[in-house]
Amino acid sequence: AQSVAQPEDQVNVAEGNPLTVKCTYSVSGNPYLFWYVQYPNRGLQFLLKYITGDNLVKGSYGFEAEFNKSQTSFHLKKPSALVSDSALYFCAVRGSYSNSGNTPLVFGKGTRLSVIA
Amino acid sequence: NAGVTQTPKFQVLKTGQSMTLQCAQDMNHNSMYWYRQDPGMGLRLIYYSASEGTTDKGEVPNGYNVSRLNKREFSLRLESAAPSQTSVYFCASSEEGTMTYEQYFGPGTRLTVT
Repeated sequence: AQSVAQPEDQVNVAEGNPLTVKCTYSVSGNPYLFWYVQYPNRGLQFLLKYITGDNLVKGSYGFEAEFNKSQTSFHLKKPSALVSDSALYFCAVRGSYSNSGNTPLVFGKGTRLSVIA
Repeated sequence: NAGVTQTPKFQVLKTGQSMTLQCAQDMNHNSMYWYRQDPGMGLRLIYYSASEGTTDKGEVPNGYNVSRLNKREFSLRLESAAPSQTSVYFCASSEEGTMTYEQYFGPGTRLTVT
């Protein structure tokens, strides 16, 4: 079975400092990995994905993530945090095939990022 | 281009009542999904539809039914609501088979069952 772990429920960082939100995964075969952000009372917004190619992927709002196959990790990073980055962040991995051939995403439990001015 | 829309935004039900949550997407996506979000639990998949005419159970399907009415619309029905179904419900859609795969989410329906 596919799974995603986000080991930190909460991450606090000062504005202007670099931030990292951690994610590890377990999946059969090659992983397709995703990061989403959720602002209060909103739906999830897609940030970035790794499907194949360069291990460092860049996404929206200055975020990037590094795929590390040996450590089965896909940590989200940003060089300089903004107060407006404060939100709930979800890592997701593409799951196994069902009878219909679709592969729904499996989400982690989320990490709340708080950027302090 | 509205993306994924959900109705209603809020709903309060009494135990045993029924209701249908509506979802529509205008991105011509093949696949659609229903999730529920509970504090500390992340998102859990209820049902999904890989294409028009097909549906599959997800992680937590008990107490729910779905209908893929056409390519645009995917509804979620609670036949006899229970307090354990108090949650925020999200619909999502995605295009499969084009190396995109990311899901696009609606704004959610906040459901309270008393």
